[in-house]
Amino acid sequence: EVQLVESGGGFVQPGRSLRLSCAASGFTFDEYDMYWVRQVPGKGLEWVSSLSWNSVKKDYADSVKGRFTISRDNAKNSLYLQMNSLRAEDTALYFCARGATFSLDYYMDAWGKGTTVTVSS
Amino acid sequence: QSVLTQPPSVSGAPGQRVTISCTGSRSNIGAGYGAHWYQQLPGTAPKLLIYGDTSRPSGVPDRFSGSKSGTSVSLAITGLQAEDEADYYCQSYDSSLSGVVFGGGTKLTVL
Repeated sequence: EVQLVESGGGFVQPGRSLRLSCAASGFTFDEYDMYWVRQVPGKGLEWVSSLSWNSVKKDYADSVKGRFTISRDNAKNSLYLQMNSLRAEDTALYFCARGATFSLDYYMDAWGKGTTVTVSS
Repeated sequence: QSVLTQPPSVSGAPGQRVTISCTGSRSNIGAGYGAHWYQQLPGTAPKLLIYGDTSRPSGVPDRFSGSKSGTSVSLAITGLQAEDEADYYCQSYDSSLSGVVFGGGTKLTVL
């Protein structure tokens, strides 16, 4: 069974940093692209970042570019999101998701339950 | 303002058919990038419902179907059931943004 378990969320002051982790199991992690998607409570889904299976291709939403860094450790079956210079508008539930890429199809076929990040003074 | 446009809400009675539209542009759906749909039940993570415009993952009932026309896609749900009440999101890839884009979401209410 595919499992994605996020951790590392919490309460942090504006301007500080936080590192999210996503532990993957039940599939061959190093064969899949991975994503971070966030959701403000009561609002819609927002793509944050994506990372190719070999860490060569990294993409970021404009809202986090230059502040967040996505990475992975295939030996540890883990995905990470380093979040620096956090702002109140980064407050959200952060989901880790497994990517599926076929030709012009880019989508997410498995999701974790999410970890909550709250940025407030 | 989302790159993909969905109606905020739709509703239908049990047993009826409802459709949810998702309108994109020439840099995403219109460029040939696949459109995908997710169902998010209250308090849970999103679940893949339709991928590649029209395909269903195993385990998704055939009451759910997807279609595409030009720069828009639609999700149809037939034989509406109470457990279908959820938020539905469309998603694609945008070449201008070099990233994934989501619609704003549609709340389905089963009357």
